[in-house]
Amino acid sequence: DTEVTQTPKHLVMGMTNKKSLKCEQHMGHRAMYWYKQKAKKPPELMFVYSYEKLSINESVPSRFSPECPNSSLLNLHLHALQPEDSALYLCASSRGRGGAQPEAFFGQGTRLTVV
Amino acid sequence: AQTVTQSQPEMSVQEAETVTLSCTYDTSENNYYLFWYKQPPSRQMILVIRQEAYKQQNATENRFSVNFQKAAKSFSLKISDSQLGDTAMYFCAFSAADKLIFGTGTRLQVFP
Repeated sequence: DTEVTQTPKHLVMGMTNKKSLKCEQHMGHRAMYWYKQKAKKPPELMFVYSYEKLSINESVPSRFSPECPNSSLLNLHLHALQPEDSALYLCASSRGRGGAQPEAFFGQGTRLTVV
Repeated sequence: AQTVTQSQPEMSVQEAETVTLSCTYDTSENNYYLFWYKQPPSRQMILVIRQEAYKQQNATENRFSVNFQKAAKSFSLKISDSQLGDTAMYFCAFSAADKLIFGTGTRLQVFP
């Protein structure tokens, strides 16, 4: 099973709403990532969790709050977003440091629209 | 800081022909990995091929092969016998110390 599952696939939210994006993997991977991708642009790294601890935060605004409840799950909590936050949000996982297979596997993404 | 550069925003190739996509990177790391990912319109990011920096031998995966020039920090992707299903956005990516960063991408169109 090389699947990373993201829910929901599409999300429309108002600027005052609170919502969460979810990501799940059952490959035993110990590194999990959140990326933001605007149209016709590359994915931009937001957060990295390594062994369930936040290891990288790429200066992401606090209206985005990541959470890693366990080694299989990764959440991204959203609050008071702006229209410019509309994008495709991708989750990925990899074996982590020292892993024999360093490649990251990606979910299909959540298409977020902020109105 | 690491950077990944793809200088070809768009490429096109006829079916069954060969095409090469370019990528250069910059890093001070000694241990790292390089990847090519493909993102078709379905938006799923799919791994095409990977290269360990410590390996001199170029990676090959069926119709896909790389030309890895470590001293020049160059990592190009060759697609042989191009197929219509190869039409996608191709991203070169660099990984070190839990960080995976992407180049700007090359849009490849395969024509019949």
